[in-house]
Amino acid sequence: GAGVSQSPSNKVTEKGKDVELRCDPISGHTALYWYRQSLGQGLEFLIYFQGNSAPDKSGLPSDRFSAERTGGSVSTLTIQRTQQEDSAVYLCASSYRGGYNEQFFGPGTRLTVL
Amino acid sequence: AQTVTQSQPEMSVQEAETVTLSCTYDTSESDYYLFWYKQPPSRQMILVIRQEAYKQQNATENRFSVNFQKAAKSFSLKISDSQLGDAAMYFCAYKGGSGNTGKLIFGQGTTLQVKP
Repeated sequence: GAGVSQSPSNKVTEKGKDVELRCDPISGHTALYWYRQSLGQGLEFLIYFQGNSAPDKSGLPSDRFSAERTGGSVSTLTIQRTQQEDSAVYLCASSYRGGYNEQFFGPGTRLTVL
Repeated sequence: AQTVTQSQPEMSVQEAETVTLSCTYDTSESDYYLFWYKQPPSRQMILVIRQEAYKQQNATENRFSVNFQKAAKSFSLKISDSQLGDAAMYFCAYKGGSGNTGKLIFGQGTTLQVKP
């Protein structure tokens, strides 16, 4: 079956612009996670969804970052007024119900803010 | 807060040889899981092996095995008979216990080079 997909694969934007990153999880996976991978901060958790709700948003670095999930499936991570420090690879993962279940990762979106 | 530390930014191994990647972690929880993930240049994170903290027996998956020392909070990965396809960045990760959301806490990663 299909794995986790993310789009776009790469995104180059200018400082101050808004960007939207998309994640399509594996069908039937109720848990969805966003992570950010950057040179300075390593791999860090951003937000967790269970269904359409986000019980853990503790990793979002600022109020410029937001995410939503609709229909218990697709999720969008939005970064407003992008800054150069937002440049990173954004990884999405999904798992069946979360908890101890294995997380399957997508290929990530590489965001470059000029 | 839980932390994961990988003290080896880079490692290299000769093809067919054995290499061990180190990982230490800090937690006050008694129930947790530990993982090793592989990230090749394609960026796709792949689960290599997992270890439940309550299990004393070290996990093994074909050429991959771990040395889990719970008291020392150490979780090293041994790759036997290294292959060129093992070249990648390896991440050690922690997942907390009961009631947790399942979010992973990662170490800084170790880049493994395999020499032919």
